[in-house]
Amino acid sequence: GNSVTQMEGPVTLSEEAFLTINCTYTATGYPSLFWYVQYPGEGLQLLLKATKADDKGSNKGFEATYRKETTSFHLEKGSVQVSDSAVYFCALSDRDGTSYGKLTFGQGTILTVHP
Amino acid sequence: EAGVTQFPSHSVIEKGQTVTLRCDPISGHDNLYWYRRVMGKEIKFLLHFVKESKQDESGMPNNRFLAERTGGTYSTLKVQPAELEDSGVYFCASSQAVGGQGPYEQYFGPGTRLTVT
Repeated sequence: GNSVTQMEGPVTLSEEAFLTINCTYTATGYPSLFWYVQYPGEGLQLLLKATKADDKGSNKGFEATYRKETTSFHLEKGSVQVSDSAVYFCALSDRDGTSYGKLTFGQGTILTVHP
Repeated sequence: EAGVTQFPSHSVIEKGQTVTLRCDPISGHDNLYWYRRVMGKEIKFLLHFVKESKQDESGMPNNRFLAERTGGTYSTLKVQPAELEDSGVYFCASSQAVGGQGPYEQYFGPGTRLTVT
């Protein structure tokens, strides 16, 4: 079956530091890949996505590149802000037409950014 | 436009009691999903409705869980009787119409935190 593995957290950084959160996946086909973010007290929000190999998703200064050869989708940001403090989830969705968008999530990584 | 809403935001019940969670999807979204996150672990899929029909309920843990979607609008998830291991955060998500290549973005609600004591 499908699975997603994220680096274990929590991650604590100072403002303006570089962020990397690792994500690797196992899937039978060619899934779509996502990063979701959950800010305190809110629901999950889609941060970025990539639907095929070598695609780069980007949003709010965050980037992630779909690497089929390493089955990875690492999240990066060059300079984090205090407002980026949240829980980040890597996820995938099959594109074989049978799962209708069902998401498989990683464990989540808590990010705390200090001023 | 209102987002996905869930009620209650937090529920504390005793083992053996019954709890019903409600989800109101974004208006016009045919797809409705339930997920659950237990004790800081990964978020796991429970089931998927297309309109009022259950498309996939492969993630439902056992027959103590019953989900319905009345008239293809709001959905309820009933746990009866609740057990300690049912504690966690239950998320609902919705996405737009079936068809096409997809996957369509899923919009999540804030979740219901269920605590079974």
